Amino acid sequence: DTAVSQTPKYLVTQMGNDKSIKCEQNLGHDTMYWYKQDSKKFLKIMFSYNNKELIINETVPNRFSPKSPDKAHLNLHINSLELGDSAVYFCASGDRGLSDTQYFGPGTRLTVL
Amino acid sequence: DAKTTQPPSMDCAEGRAANLPCNHSTISGNEYVYWYRQIHSQGPQYIIHGLKNNETNEMASLIITEDRKSSTLILPHATLRDTAVYYCIVRLNNQGGKLIFGQGTELSVKP
Repeated sequence: DTAVSQTPKYLVTQMGNDKSIKCEQNLGHDTMYWYKQDSKKFLKIMFSYNNKELIINETVPNRFSPKSPDKAHLNLHINSLELGDSAVYFCASGDRGLSDTQYFGPGTRLTVL
Repeated sequence: DAKTTQPPSMDCAEGRAANLPCNHSTISGNEYVYWYRQIHSQGPQYIIHGLKNNETNEMASLIITEDRKSSTLILPHATLRDTAVYYCIVRLNNQGGKLIFGQGTELSVKP
């Protein structure tokens, strides 16, 4: 069983387009995250949601809009894509209990041409 | 910014123990040390975490110095599949907070 899944795995698109990445977790966690890994392999938090409410927004451009229809899903919409948005985007879900562990999805490689 | 420093790379012979150091001299009293790893092209994977005491699980052992300013992750019998980037992260526990990743240590396990 896949704990955290993302679709699509690869996404190639033109500058200026709007795209979405979907994330689903079946772990029953209340908290979900989006991280971005750039071409230099640097991983950085973008957003965090807890029970469908935004709790972390790390000064990400407002072209990026997360949406959480329920606590098992956290989708990422990106408007007016730019070359610099090319990266691997990882979704994660978190157990806020004693271990406070985050479980990551397989990533979505976004390439903007 | 990450509150940890790690060597950028290390090599280890297959079957030997891999000892990955981490310095976190500014760690606060209620912050935990977490270790994650990222195998090429995959999402990061949780390994272990601890506060003060040494910890062991099926994947690794974590040794934290008495002053808590540094720690060592030990993979007791490294295999080729342990080749990955290992990240040491300091954070509060039970807060659901973000993980702040540094550059990590790229461990290469060689036959």
